[in-house]
Amino acid sequence: NAGVTQTPKFQVLKTGQSMTLQCAQDMNHNSMYWYRQDPGMGLRLIYYSASEGTTDKGEVPNGYNVSRLNKREFSLRLESAAPSQTSVYFCASSADLFNNSPLHFGNGTRLTVT
Amino acid sequence: AQSVTQLGSHVSVSEGALVLLRCNYSSSVPPYLFWYVQYPNQGLQLLLKYTSAATLVKGINGFEAEFKKSETSFHLTKPSAHMSDAAEYFCAVSLGGSQGNLIFGKGTKLSVKP
Repeated sequence: NAGVTQTPKFQVLKTGQSMTLQCAQDMNHNSMYWYRQDPGMGLRLIYYSASEGTTDKGEVPNGYNVSRLNKREFSLRLESAAPSQTSVYFCASSADLFNNSPLHFGNGTRLTVT
Repeated sequence: AQSVTQLGSHVSVSEGALVLLRCNYSSSVPPYLFWYVQYPNQGLQLLLKYTSAATLVKGINGFEAEFKKSETSFHLTKPSAHMSDAAEYFCAVSLGGSQGNLIFGKGTKLSVKP
């Protein structure tokens, strides 16, 4: 029972490099999310996708782009990485955007930008 | 706008002692409230959620939380701490039940001493 799978687990980038974080869920959920977690800051929403074909900005979208490739997959792209994007990134999914559907999280991607 | 405040970034208790993790929220409409737990190097897992059905909510692993509208609080408790409860705990609030509007607190790290 995989749940939410994120790749890679760790990544080191130089400033200005680009990369894509991958996320896939096997629970047939409609909604998917990308969060970043920084010490003492809790989790902050970057982007979310209420359903296949839609994406919306969250609290901290600057410097990121997303693609909802299909119902299962939701990727996060950093076009030109900056040290301020050093963080742990979590993908999550829920059955629906509303109805208080709980979030199911992946195990995170630890990104360092030097 | 809604917000959530967790009092105490670190809480330490002895094994067998009462666990009390504090959460206060600010919301202009009836809130939906959640507690999530994060074990080291893992994503968050739902502990429990309040959706107005009952003010005392029971969750997994013996945790419960009570919604007190007059105090705008949703504190998490467990009568007897176990070593395995050591983790970081996050309170979260959403407006209208939309997970796209889910705001997390900064987290409380719980340590359990033998």
